[in-house]
Amino acid sequence: DQQVKQNSPSLSVQEGRISILNCDYTNSMFDYFLWYKKYPAEGPTFLISISSIKDKNEDGRFTVFLNKSAKHLSLHIVPSQPGDSAVYFCAASAQGFGNEKLTFGTGTRLTIIP
Amino acid sequence: GAVVSQHPSRVICKSGTSVKIECRSLDFQATTMFWYRQFPKQSLMLMATSNEGSKATYEQGVEKDKFLINHASLTLSTLTVTSAHPEDSSFYICSAAKDSFSYEQYFGPGTRLTVT
Repeated sequence: DQQVKQNSPSLSVQEGRISILNCDYTNSMFDYFLWYKKYPAEGPTFLISISSIKDKNEDGRFTVFLNKSAKHLSLHIVPSQPGDSAVYFCAASAQGFGNEKLTFGTGTRLTIIP
Repeated sequence: GAVVSQHPSRVICKSGTSVKIECRSLDFQATTMFWYRQFPKQSLMLMATSNEGSKATYEQGVEKDKFLINHASLTLSTLTVTSAHPEDSSFYICSAAKDSFSYEQYFGPGTRLTVT
């Protein structure tokens, strides 16, 4: 039972344009959401997070939007750069504490076309 | 700060042997460490959660006698794959949390295990 889903396994975006990665979840107990970036044969790197009390969080080129009623979140990257090419995972936890387990989505491979 | 290392980065072993993977938090003390495995083109699946000084909590379907986890200190956790078989070949990743009030987990670079 995949509680966190990323329905697009891959996405290609022209450099300079906006990349939008989507994530859906089913467990209503999830209250904290994170996005990680992962290169092959490396561990995930934290990008940005959002608590369910907010609907938007922004950090530089990265913005995460949360629609709690739809159980949907998205990561916007603008402008997209070649270095953004990687696999992006969304993850969720119940309370957002670091010692809580994370449930990961299946990942979306983003390719930025120069 | 908040660097997590794993050793080895790659290991090849023969079927039936055991392999130990180390996960270290280099510049912080980790009260909790997590072990994940990732199959090609799939998600990171949590295997177990370990707290320093206590037994690990395993996720459903993970054999605790096959995947032995030891979290003996606040900077080191080990995962031992016992009697490894080819189906255990995978990418194993650990993560560490500083404390219950931190919101982040810091991930290690992963270990590629190949069982021949």
